[in-house]
Amino acid sequence: DSGVTQTPKHLITATGQRVTLRCSPRSGDLSVYWYQQSLDQGLQFLIQYYNGEERAKGNILERFSAQQFPDLHSELNLSSLELGDSALYFCASSVVGTGITDTQYFGPGTRLTVL
Amino acid sequence: AQKVTQAQTEISVVEKEDVTLDCVYETRDTTYYLFWYKQPPSGELVFLIRRNSFDEQNEISGRYSWNFQKSTSSFNFTITASQVVDSAVYFCALSEGSSNTGKLIFGQGTTLQVKP
Repeated sequence: DSGVTQTPKHLITATGQRVTLRCSPRSGDLSVYWYQQSLDQGLQFLIQYYNGEERAKGNILERFSAQQFPDLHSELNLSSLELGDSALYFCASSVVGTGITDTQYFGPGTRLTVL
Repeated sequence: AQKVTQAQTEISVVEKEDVTLDCVYETRDTTYYLFWYKQPPSGELVFLIRRNSFDEQNEISGRYSWNFQKSTSSFNFTITASQVVDSAVYFCALSEGSSNTGKLIFGQGTTLQVKP
């Protein structure tokens, strides 16, 4: 158990809908990262937050957004869902993640299925 | 551009065999970090090792060992006396120091099947 929690574990929804994925980092970690794992794209970095501020952006679609709250939990919002958004979404956390590269610990993931 | 290549898509071995998973990386940075993660059938990503670009010492942890060679831009992972529980997808990842963030660039992964 990495100490990173993600809810829900599974999510099944229809095209055009909007969903919210939630992540709680390990105690004491300030950075949260979101990754998408799909069969065709592999594991791809989406976005990073550090202590409530957006820190880095990767290949994140405009239909996707995220935020980190004062208690450091994070939410990833996916809207206007398409079939191709079906994937495993991971959240990871690290102590700092800015200025230095520390180790990221991953949550169990949320499997999103868009029908 | 930064890139991680794991050329072996799938490897199948019989229990107790040794197996090496290859990882080749590309980066222009002089400061960078390399990682290995394990993804068992249950799906989570488990951290195995982190190595920075200034530390070329090989590392051994039980049946696991890692060989880091800057000259060939490789960071290979060897499992000695493999066991069925080692069956998983293994990912090599790179983080560049110049990015000033911790974002990871992953290879495509190597699926290891250990048969009894």
